[in-house]
Amino acid sequence: QLQLQESGPGLVKPSETLSLTCTVSGGSISSSSYYWGWIRQPPGKGLEWIGSIYYSGSTYYNPSLKSRVTISVDTSKNQFSLKLSSVTAADTAVYYCARLGDTAMVGAFDIWGQGTMVTVSS
Amino acid sequence: QSALTQPASVSGSPGQSITISCTGTSSDVGSYNLVSWYQQHPGKAPKLMIYEVSKRPSGVSNRFSGSKSGNTASLTISGLQAEDEADYYCCSYAGSLAVFGGGTQLTVL
Repeated sequence: QLQLQESGPGLVKPSETLSLTCTVSGGSISSSSYYWGWIRQPPGKGLEWIGSIYYSGSTYYNPSLKSRVTISVDTSKNQFSLKLSSVTAADTAVYYCARLGDTAMVGAFDIWGQGTMVTVSS
Repeated sequence: QSALTQPASVSGSPGQSITISCTGTSSDVGSYNLVSWYQQHPGKAPKLMIYEVSKRPSGVSNRFSGSKSGNTASLTISGLQAEDEADYYCCSYAGSLAVFGGGTQLTVL
């Protein structure tokens, strides 16, 4: 059974770079049927898509965050990662990683990690 | 890429049916049959309930159904149960970009 697990610092200082990793277990990140995505949710607010990546390295980003976001994949470790630069308090949120259907359940995030809370504060 | 529009809240009594709307534009909801719906209980990760407008993943109750007309997608929950009380989010996948709705809080009276 495929599982996703986010990891990374829970506290980041303003103007620094937020870095998170999502480890995929129980299946291969190199599946041709799926993309892998990051979604965040500020406290008490809704979901916001950050971006997605294919195992080959192709990426798509939310236009509103594109200038600050980098998503990468490490197939040897079955992981993909998120870097968000120049963070402010507005980036405080629960960050989720999820599997995104490409040839099956197209465009749907069908498996999610449990989420990790990241607070931006000095 | 603006967020899709959902009502902030809806409510219904056990056994009743409710419908949550999700309005986008001709560039997202209106152009692609790639609308999905998610249920989120407090403190939990979202759960996929509907994909590709009207398809249910394995294990999701057939009380949940989805549809679309023009730029508006809808989620209908029939035979409301107490466990359905949660936040619901729609999502449109358009041109490899995803956009979520603002979320709807469902209260079972």
